[in-house]
Amino acid sequence: DSGVTQTPKHLITATGQRVTLRCSPRSGDLSVYWYQQSLDQGLQFLIQYYNGEERAKGNILERFSAQQFPDLHSELNLSSLELGDSALYFCASSKGLGQDNEKLFFGSGTQLSVL
Amino acid sequence: AQTVTQSQPEMSVQEAETVTLSCTYDTSESDYYLFWYKQPPSRQMILVIRQEAYKQQNATENRFSVNFQKAAKSFSLKISDSQLGDAAMYFCAYRRRGGSEKLVFGKGTKLTVNP
Repeated sequence: DSGVTQTPKHLITATGQRVTLRCSPRSGDLSVYWYQQSLDQGLQFLIQYYNGEERAKGNILERFSAQQFPDLHSELNLSSLELGDSALYFCASSKGLGQDNEKLFFGSGTQLSVL
Repeated sequence: AQTVTQSQPEMSVQEAETVTLSCTYDTSESDYYLFWYKQPPSRQMILVIRQEAYKQQNATENRFSVNFQKAAKSFSLKISDSQLGDAAMYFCAYRRRGGSEKLVFGKGTKLTVNP
């Protein structure tokens, strides 16, 4: 168990809908990262938050947004869902900014199926 | 942009034997980290081994070792005395050193361990 908790584990929804994925980082970790794993694109970095502030942005669509709350949990919001958004969404956490010797701990992911 | 290539979509090995998974990467940076992650059917991303580019010595973790060839930009993973529990997807990943940097993943290699 990595200590990173993601809910829900599975999510099935329809095109055009909006969903929220939740992540609780390991105790004491200030950084949260979101990654998307799909069959065609592989594992791609979406966005990073550090202590409530956005720190880095990757290939995140405009239909997607995220935030990190004062208690350090994070939510990834996906709207106007399309079939191609079906993927496994990972959250990871680290103590600081992910520098140098810091380890990244991954959650078990949320499997999103858009029908 | 940095890229990571795993040229073997699938590999198989007999239990107790040795297997090597290949990874090449492209970067103009001189200082970075390389990783191998394991993703078993449980979907959890588990760090197997990490290599700092500035270290010439190849990293080793029990039955797992790497062959890091910086000039060739090659980073292969050797699994010795393969066990049934080693069956998983293996991902090679790159991260530039310093700052808030994302992990760049390869597409993965599916390893099957035959009894």
